[in-house]
Amino acid sequence: DQQVKQNSPSLSVQEGRISILNCDYTNSMFDYFLWYKKYPAEGPTFLISISSIKDKNEDGRFTVFLNKSAKHLSLHIVPSQPGDSAVYFCAASAGGSNYKLTFGKGTLLTVNP
Amino acid sequence: DADVTQTPRNRITKTGKRIMLECSQTKGHDRMYWYRQDPGLGLQLIYYSFDVKDINKGEISDGYSVSRQAQAKFSLSLESAIPNQTALYFCATSDFGLSGEAKNIQYFGAGTRLSVL
Repeated sequence: DQQVKQNSPSLSVQEGRISILNCDYTNSMFDYFLWYKKYPAEGPTFLISISSIKDKNEDGRFTVFLNKSAKHLSLHIVPSQPGDSAVYFCAASAGGSNYKLTFGKGTLLTVNP
Repeated sequence: DADVTQTPRNRITKTGKRIMLECSQTKGHDRMYWYRQDPGLGLQLIYYSFDVKDINKGEISDGYSVSRQAQAKFSLSLESAIPNQTALYFCATSDFGLSGEAKNIQYFGAGTRLSVL
């Protein structure tokens, strides 16, 4: 059973516009959420995270929104740049003494010049 | 130099062969992880280690074994490789000593692309 779902395998946007990547989760024990970016032939790199006690976290062009009641989070990239073209993974952690990450399948973002 | 180094970067092997993938880190982190990525399936956890004496199975440990030789080294072995183990393998580390959200952040190596013929 997939606990972290990224239902859009791909997304294409124009340079300068907003990119919105979505993620849904089913496990109510998740209390930390992370976004990773992955370029071809490289490992995933950490982008931004949010705790379940918050509903928004910003870092430059990247903002993550969390809606706990809907078990939904989204990553907004504004403005989008061609260098943002990559696969984006949503991940969740139940914290406690465990801190294992459960990953979604990823969304391929293509930003067109 | 990369903080998390995986060797080899690419490997082609034959069915039934034993193969070892190695991971070393210079980040000083206590926790290390092995993941597998198949096309369209995201990252699945194979094994994880919280310290040298603590090894745990992940979601898909069958057919794999690991060894934590030192805090900085964590190797993954396929005792008898089979074609459906063809995948991209990633090693990751994290630091449980950090506070708050930072505990959750894992840092990944560049990956090993394994093909089993």
